[in-house]
Amino acid sequence: QKEVEQNSGPLSVPEGAIASLNCTYSDRVSQSFFWYRQYSGKSPELIMSIYSNGDKEDGRFTAQLNKASQYVSLLIRDSQPSDSATYLCAVIQGAQKLVFGQGTRLTINP
Amino acid sequence: KAGVTQTPRYLIKTRGQQVTLSCSPISGHRSVSWYQQTPGQGLQFLFEYFSETQRNKGNFPGRFSGRQFSNSRSEMNVSTLELGDSALYLCASSPSLTDNEQFFGPGTRLTVL
Repeated sequence: QKEVEQNSGPLSVPEGAIASLNCTYSDRVSQSFFWYRQYSGKSPELIMSIYSNGDKEDGRFTAQLNKASQYVSLLIRDSQPSDSATYLCAVIQGAQKLVFGQGTRLTINP
Repeated sequence: KAGVTQTPRYLIKTRGQQVTLSCSPISGHRSVSWYQQTPGQGLQFLFEYFSETQRNKGNFPGRFSGRQFSNSRSEMNVSTLELGDSALYLCASSPSLTDNEQFFGPGTRLTVL
């Protein structure tokens, strides 16, 4: 089992809809979770961090964490074509090591 | 604040050579981590430095090494390059070991021929 798993996609969502990205992790003691966005040819950009169970909202982005289910998700409301990118889930595991999922490629269709 | 900077941005080497990549963290950030990104393996952790000491290391061979200077700038070195070392090498900085939000530089694209 991979340490951090994401559906690789591609995930295609119409403009204005909600995009839902999911991630599961294997280390039950993980406490810190992050979502990064990576445009093609660019480096990852931190968009959300979440540390407690529940929802955390920042503009059009909502991160959701369920530690009992070892599940973290990212919702993007009112999706825009500029949201088209690969979204990487990252989890601090073990000795403060940041472990990334393979990423989900998201395409927003105008 | 200026972001993380990495030099060079692109590099072409041949098998057997060695290479040194440089990273300057965001001003005030003292922790620097290095990652390798390839299409097949994704983003993989190489090592983390804080206060000039390696704090964590990923599962890479000893050909991969690094160091950090007193001004928090960091370098990584890869010796005896192999074709499989072709990748995007990313540096990320964070304020401290306990502040886990990491910010990435633009990366160095290494091609090994």
